[in-house]
Amino acid sequence: DTGVSQDPRHKITKRGQNVTFRCDPISEHNRLYWYRQTLGQGPEFLTYFQNEAQLEKSRLLSDRFSAERPKGSFSTLEIQRTEQGDSAMYLCASSWDRSSTIGYTFGSGTRLTVV
Amino acid sequence: DQQVKQNSPSLSVQEGRISILNCDYTNSMFDYFLWYKKYPAEGPTFLISISSIKDKNEDGRFTVFLNKSAKHLSLHIVPSQPGDSAVYFCAATDNAGNMLTFGGGTRLMVKP
Repeated sequence: DTGVSQDPRHKITKRGQNVTFRCDPISEHNRLYWYRQTLGQGPEFLTYFQNEAQLEKSRLLSDRFSAERPKGSFSTLEIQRTEQGDSAMYLCASSWDRSSTIGYTFGSGTRLTVV
Repeated sequence: DQQVKQNSPSLSVQEGRISILNCDYTNSMFDYFLWYKKYPAEGPTFLISISSIKDKNEDGRFTVFLNKSAKHLSLHIVPSQPGDSAVYFCAATDNAGNMLTFGGGTRLMVKP
């Protein structure tokens, strides 16, 4: 297992376009999380899944954002009608239940630039 | 409303000396605290954690101290090595453990 994979690593898009990112978690992990990190800030929680169920969403996740995790495996995060303020690093993480003792495993992220 | 704060954006330390990174939190519901390390172009990597029932946890060169009454935790790295140069994030979660709340990070530079 190579850890949490995210694709693409970088995405440049024009304002108003739609973008979709993919995350493949560690195979035995049943929880999957999306975070967003802007320059000079720590990661901010967006949403998380337990298996295929989306159990919590942050108020940061406007109606332009949608996340799915079909069959409880990989996940996609789509941003519709992108805005310049969406430019950030989008991080995916996975864990086995709470796993508080070892923390999440993060992917390397997808850096989105909206021009 | 920042619930987790790292007030020092950067810290420079000489190789072999101690690095002390600080973190303050405001939410009394937090009961588990973690430190992550992040290199450029990589995701954060889990380093060490501590439960609110403890006041110290040690793992090799890394020790985390928790002062619940002050709502303060710190990460000590002894001895510091140039490879420790990275951004360090403090994070906290409540008993449900559904999400982590991160601080803004501290950039540590260890000079040879």
